Amino acid sequence: GAVVSQHPSWVICKSGTSVKIECRSLDFQATTMFWYRQFPKQSLMLMATSNEGSKATYEQGVEKDKFLINHASLTLSTLTVTSAHPEDSSFYICSARDAASGTTYEQYFGPGTRLTVT
Amino acid sequence: GQSLEQPSEVTAVEGAIVQINCTYQTSGFYGLSWYQQHDGGAPTFLSYNALDGLEETGRFSSFLSRSDSYGYLLLQELQMKDSASYFCASHTGGFKTIFGAGTRLFVKA
Repeated sequence: GAVVSQHPSWVICKSGTSVKIECRSLDFQATTMFWYRQFPKQSLMLMATSNEGSKATYEQGVEKDKFLINHASLTLSTLTVTSAHPEDSSFYICSARDAASGTTYEQYFGPGTRLTVT
Repeated sequence: GQSLEQPSEVTAVEGAIVQINCTYQTSGFYGLSWYQQHDGGAPTFLSYNALDGLEETGRFSSFLSRSDSYGYLLLQELQMKDSASYFCASHTGGFKTIFGAGTRLFVKA
């Protein structure tokens, strides 16, 4: 089956620093990847849609200058949380669509990255 | 706007059948998916309905009525391992996905 990895799985950083999270599709090509944020016992909130070779599309209320997304290849998208603050502490999950899947809406999710900002 | 409503939690016993309902308000609606998520884990895809009717996959079935903006997930022969959160998710253009708030299912012995 399609596998998506994320790195790191967890990270603790100090307030004001930046953190980069990688999302990789391991056995398929992903022209589109999605970044979600999930607070404890809450739903997944779509932050942005990442398209290979073009700028990401951010959801309303998500600061694009704070959450930098780069989708440089068909298997890698990165999310950089810049100048992190404690309120950015959350579970960040990426997902990817198989470019060969046609019109199917199935997404493959990574295992998530738990970010704690102290 | 986009919104989905589903019950916050459901409790059932092992071996029983449970139905989790989902109503949605989505412009440019393409279809409805269901995902399962265990605590601390990533969501896993269960099913997708683009057309009205029932889709069956093993113990899980999903139903969609586009005219009623309504769908449900049916879990049969419940097992303890089915205890998890279940999310309905609507799809719009550009393969964008909006998730409901999730339903926590507790399966008791």
